[in-house]
Amino acid sequence: DAKTTQPPSMDCAEGRAANLPCNHSTISGNEYVYWYRQIHSQGPQYIIHGLKNNETNEMASLIITEDRKSSTLILPHATLRDTAVYYCIVSPNAGKSTFGDGTTLTVKP
Amino acid sequence: SAVISQKPSRDICQRGTSLTIQCQVDSQVTMMFWYRQQPGQSLTLIATANQGSEATYESGFVIDKFPISRPNLTFSTLTVSNMSPEDSSIYLCSVARGNRYEQYFGPGTRLTVT
Repeated sequence: DAKTTQPPSMDCAEGRAANLPCNHSTISGNEYVYWYRQIHSQGPQYIIHGLKNNETNEMASLIITEDRKSSTLILPHATLRDTAVYYCIVSPNAGKSTFGDGTTLTVKP
Repeated sequence: SAVISQKPSRDICQRGTSLTIQCQVDSQVTMMFWYRQQPGQSLTLIATANQGSEATYESGFVIDKFPISRPNLTFSTLTVSNMSPEDSSIYLCSVARGNRYEQYFGPGTRLTVT
């Protein structure tokens, strides 16, 4: 699997958009970008995934650059409950995922 | 999505003993995975457990230490054998499903070895 790079931590004001970047410059053509988050003391939660087109669901939006070397997860209106560790993972659709250190997002009132 | 339960949710065990963790899924799935999350760390994949075949272990994990069973498409167990304090971790099972095999995780089993 390709390696990803994420900032270790970010802050966001409640109600504002949270934009979490991920660099995956060695991504292969058959690899998808997946995002998960882990709220303290819980199992990770799947958020969204994409190949090359931008994707949106009820939780978030995923913006993937045209060269696919980076992506951004957008939480449009962050709440305090969105405080969590966010993991960006690149995988060729094999099911198992290699987790990096992720980004700790803290949403502040 | 998938609803996954794990038993026990937490346990405190003595050095040298073994603990078996159960993972139950609400519907049939082919691929199941076991992860370990040591305190303050990210998740590390232990093994892939597909029904009808032997579990596939990642580098650094061996069957004698972490035997896995997968008797059917909704259930799996992970045993942590001959435990030491270094085995104190959260153990999570997950399943892969959906059109691109996104993963869904159980709540985890918090193990403390004294």
